[in-house]
Amino acid sequence: QLQLQESGPGLVKPSETLSLTCTVSGGSISNSNYYWGWIRQPPGKGLEWIGNIYYSGSAYYNPSLKSRVTISVDTSKNQFSLKLSSVTAADTAVYYCASMTTVNPFGYWGQGTLVTVSS
Amino acid sequence: DIQMTQSPSTLSASVGDRVTITCRASQSFSSWLAWYQQKPGKAPKLLIYKASNLESGVPSRFSGSGSGTEFTLTISSLQPDDFATYYCQQYNSFPYTFGQGTKLEIK
Repeated sequence: QLQLQESGPGLVKPSETLSLTCTVSGGSISNSNYYWGWIRQPPGKGLEWIGNIYYSGSAYYNPSLKSRVTISVDTSKNQFSLKLSSVTAADTAVYYCASMTTVNPFGYWGQGTLVTVSS
Repeated sequence: DIQMTQSPSTLSASVGDRVTITCRASQSFSSWLAWYQQKPGKAPKLLIYKASNLESGVPSRFSGSGSGTEFTLTISSLQPDDFATYYCQQYNSFPYTFGQGTKLEIK
């Protein structure tokens, strides 16, 4: 069974870059059946899809964030990563990594990590 | 973008009740619709995929239906563990979008 775990700083200063990593265990990130995604949830609010990446490196981003987001994959470490630049307080949220298959939605999720943007 | 609108936003019900949550899409699509349950401080949990398919391990009191622009999640007989927030999500096209959520409260 897949397990995903987010890691990274819990506090980021405004205008800086938020960087998170998701470590996958219980399976290979190179499995061609899976896509790997990031979703976020501001405190007390709903879910927002940030983007997906395939093991080959093909990535798809939410247009609302596209100019600031980069998702990458490191198959040697079984990890994928999120970078969000020029953050503001509006980017304060719990960030989740998750996996989906080519036909099924997000079935496995990390526990989530709260990132606060504040000086 | 496909906008997803859930109703109601809040639902008060009692143990044993049958409840239905509706998710309407701003444009029609096939069955690429999921339902998730989220409890406070926890990650969402997949309940239903492809509009009507029950995820493994999810109790059979949960069911999904619909196509086009209207989809529903039904809980046939509410149990104490079911009080949570529910989200629909379309994964028909990018960007994937979620409904705003329905909070199911104990009456």
